[in-house]
Amino acid sequence: SAVISQKPSRDICQRGTSLTIQCQVDSQVTMMFWYRQQPGQSLTLIATANQGSEATYESGFVIDKFPISRPNLTFSTLTVSNMSPEDSSIYLCSALRQDRGSGEQFFGPGTRLTVL
Amino acid sequence: DAKTTQPPSMDCAEGRAANLPCNHSTISGNEYVYWYRQIHSQGPQYIIHGLKNNETNEMASLIITEDRKSSTLILPHATLRDTAVYYCIVRETDSWGKLQFGAGTQVVVTP
Repeated sequence: SAVISQKPSRDICQRGTSLTIQCQVDSQVTMMFWYRQQPGQSLTLIATANQGSEATYESGFVIDKFPISRPNLTFSTLTVSNMSPEDSSIYLCSALRQDRGSGEQFFGPGTRLTVL
Repeated sequence: DAKTTQPPSMDCAEGRAANLPCNHSTISGNEYVYWYRQIHSQGPQYIIHGLKNNETNEMASLIITEDRKSSTLILPHATLRDTAVYYCIVRETDSWGKLQFGAGTQVVVTP
């Protein structure tokens, strides 16, 4: 299995500021993803983090609001820009090792963001 | 949109088998059925997946009907640590790993 860590684990931020969340995987992975989980809700896919190229965003999510980087096969960042209270959520990173055949996806513990 | 339907909640007695149903009536031939669970305050955890045959691993068994329109996840001996939200997800083999989560089933295992 892959072990995924996220930093920070939680943060409280002021409206209008930006926060960058880091995701580190302990082994090389094929795909990395970012999800959002709003309070009491299920997970929603934000984007696929592509190594060496621009991320692929899902409907309703844009690069200006959620810029994503993936400089190598084990690390990615998600920035939540110009935050508002509606951005208060848990943000989760996940990774997929396609060579494992099943393509099972591993998730980080999440970053709990509160925007005041 | 999620392609699966699950009951919103289930209770299960500790030590008994928990049978979690999932309907996926529009599943296509190249879509797998995946099960994940999310224990409170943690990231989702992979449980099992299958295409058309029944599958078993150390965590659970997956029973898929012959027409593939529904499936059941079986936790053979539920423990209190199995209390979680369980998600049934269908995913194409070539969807590059994207998972579309539905609402899931909140399973509460009681002593």
